[in-house]
Amino acid sequence: GESVGLHLPTLSVQEGDNSIINCAYSNSASDYFIWYKQESGKGPQFIIDIRSNMDKRQGQRVTVLLNKTVKHLSLQIAATQPGDSAVYFCAENMSGTASKLTFGTGTRLQVTL
Amino acid sequence: EAEVAQSPRYKITEKSQAVAFWCDPISGHATLYWYRQILGQGPELLVQFQDESVVDDSQLPKDRFSAERLKGVDSTLKIQPAELGDSAMYLCASSLGVGGPLHFGNGTRLTVT
Repeated sequence: GESVGLHLPTLSVQEGDNSIINCAYSNSASDYFIWYKQESGKGPQFIIDIRSNMDKRQGQRVTVLLNKTVKHLSLQIAATQPGDSAVYFCAENMSGTASKLTFGTGTRLQVTL
Repeated sequence: EAEVAQSPRYKITEKSQAVAFWCDPISGHATLYWYRQILGQGPELLVQFQDESVVDDSQLPKDRFSAERLKGVDSTLKIQPAELGDSAMYLCASSLGVGGPLHFGNGTRLTVT
């Protein structure tokens, strides 16, 4: 079946460096994407979203890039901090809404001092 | 900041017993979701409510799982009888409508022995 997946299960970065977390999706009909951050023992926390009519969206220290040609999504975190250590999930939806989100398996980001 | 409240945080039960989880969404959020998250994986949708009505329960194992949102506010998810494979994190999320991002609670960690 169609799914959302991640290239790297674990990413280790040094504090202060930029982080890039990648996500491949296989459903070309998906038109809404969200990145979530999940810390241990907590529920997923919304970071940023993007719709398919955009290829880039920026938030505070985060940028999401969408490449529909190769069905690739990335999350960039600037000046990574220890508090950024968590599992990051991308999720997709086909109807342009947040309902029926399909999540990938996640990438663990480890920030080293 | 308003949060989605869930209880209990942890639940240990023996197989064949009944368990129930409670969720109170963010005030004013009409759409409520129950997700199940197995360790190391992304959340998977079990059921979606719009106000008091179920709009999607296609992934809910209806022989043992039930969900209700009688007054369109808080919701209960029940499992009867519980099986070993039900051990997981049960997450509740809400959104203002079907067009917005989901806000998750911190979940109920279920262990079935």
